Amino acid sequence: DIQMTQSPSSLSASVGDRVAITCRASQTISSYLNWYHQKPGEAPNLLIYDASTLQSGVPSRFSGSGSGTDFTLTISSLQPEDFATYYCQQSYSTPWTFGQGTKVEIK
Amino acid sequence: EVQLVESGGGLVQPGGSLRLSCAASGFTFSSYSMNWVRQAPGKGLEWISYISISRNTIYYADSVKGRFTISRDNAKHSLFLQMNSLRAEDTAVYYCVRSLEVVTPIFDYWGQGTLVTVSS
Repeated sequence: DIQMTQSPSSLSASVGDRVAITCRASQTISSYLNWYHQKPGEAPNLLIYDASTLQSGVPSRFSGSGSGTDFTLTISSLQPEDFATYYCQQSYSTPWTFGQGTKVEIK
Repeated sequence: EVQLVESGGGLVQPGGSLRLSCAASGFTFSSYSMNWVRQAPGKGLEWISYISISRNTIYYADSVKGRFTISRDNAKHSLFLQMNSLRAEDTAVYYCVRSLEVVTPIFDYWGQGTLVTVSS
């Protein structure tokens, strides 16, 4: 199975900050990397797929980059509604696996 | 509007069975592959099963293989998960998830989930 490791596991940031979350795969996954966020008590929501393609309706302050084994999700200017847990997920091979999550909290 | 509504969760004893259902609306159900993804309380996400549009391709995570069975009824716009030999570690919120297949399946819409609790 492909292991996905996110860092950091949690971070504190202020509204307006630029935030970056990294995700590393245990083997190459090309660009088959997706990002989701999840607010407490809600279902996850797709943000970015194929490493850098913004899902329809997702604000442009979200961006993704990377290929191979190393990937980054960047939020250019953190907004109050962005405080949530973020997950990466590989769709390269089954079992499709998620990172452990990164909790973004208010500083 | 895409809607996925899960039902069938609840409290079950270890070794018992449950059948989850997911009612889909707002899109052409028969044109999309579907999945179940679960989340144990306070934990991360775990994909557990996939079924293709025509049901000819099915995948399971090792953690549920041989115990869970995914199925779908395209005429009734419904997805199912038959869960047998349930264990305490199967306790989780179970999400019905649509796949957007660009090149590989991408989980683009999620239901709100149904809680399964396995306990004596």
